[in-house]
Amino acid sequence: DAGITQSPRHKVTETGTPVTLRCHQTENHRYMYWYRQDPGHGLRLIHYSYGVKDTDKGEVSDGYSVSRSKTEDFLLTLESATSSQTSVYFCAISEGELRSSYEQYFGPGTRLTVT
Amino acid sequence: GQQVMQIPQYQHVQEGEDFTTYCNSSTTLSNIQWYKQRPGGHPVFLIQLVKSGEVKKQKRLTFQFGEAKKNSSLHITATQTTDVGTYFCAGPDSWGKFQFGAGTQVVVTP
Repeated sequence: DAGITQSPRHKVTETGTPVTLRCHQTENHRYMYWYRQDPGHGLRLIHYSYGVKDTDKGEVSDGYSVSRSKTEDFLLTLESATSSQTSVYFCAISEGELRSSYEQYFGPGTRLTVT
Repeated sequence: GQQVMQIPQYQHVQEGEDFTTYCNSSTTLSNIQWYKQRPGGHPVFLIQLVKSGEVKKQKRLTFQFGEAKKNSSLHITATQTTDVGTYFCAGPDSWGKFQFGAGTQVVVTP
């Protein structure tokens, strides 16, 4: 498996609290992604990064922000968690642009429950 | 926007049987990728198809990319219990962002 770790692996938090999930890679890949996975929806892109301090929105970005201050770290922040953000969050990396036929490598996931 | 649809959503297969899962995009794809996710695990890259009409095989798995590059299929022969999991197809939209299908969950009965 690619060198991708996510922390925490499990978290339970209350509605309205801020939450930050961390993705760390040791592959020096340029592109990093945050997805959420919910039953019946597959994987949906939240935000992605194409370099340090370069980020863009995905299809379900409302309520989420990201930051990438170093190549190896990509942070996902829920400013004020809501129950609809209960999900499994996956980080992924790729060496190059996906439309240029680079594959993605996924981290182990973070299971987040918002009560 | 682009939509990627997968059918069927669930597939119950008797061990030893063959089955096929299908992926359809509303737009032409530059490439399509397939991933497998075991229960409780994370998606793992299986293969990528780039050329129109391309066919690739991995042991008992056969992947095909349609001539119009808008659909793809995964055919598994002689299903084994190790094939259990959810299979996702995914392709980039015109902005390069990946769209995943909802997946086909495969259950194998011994």
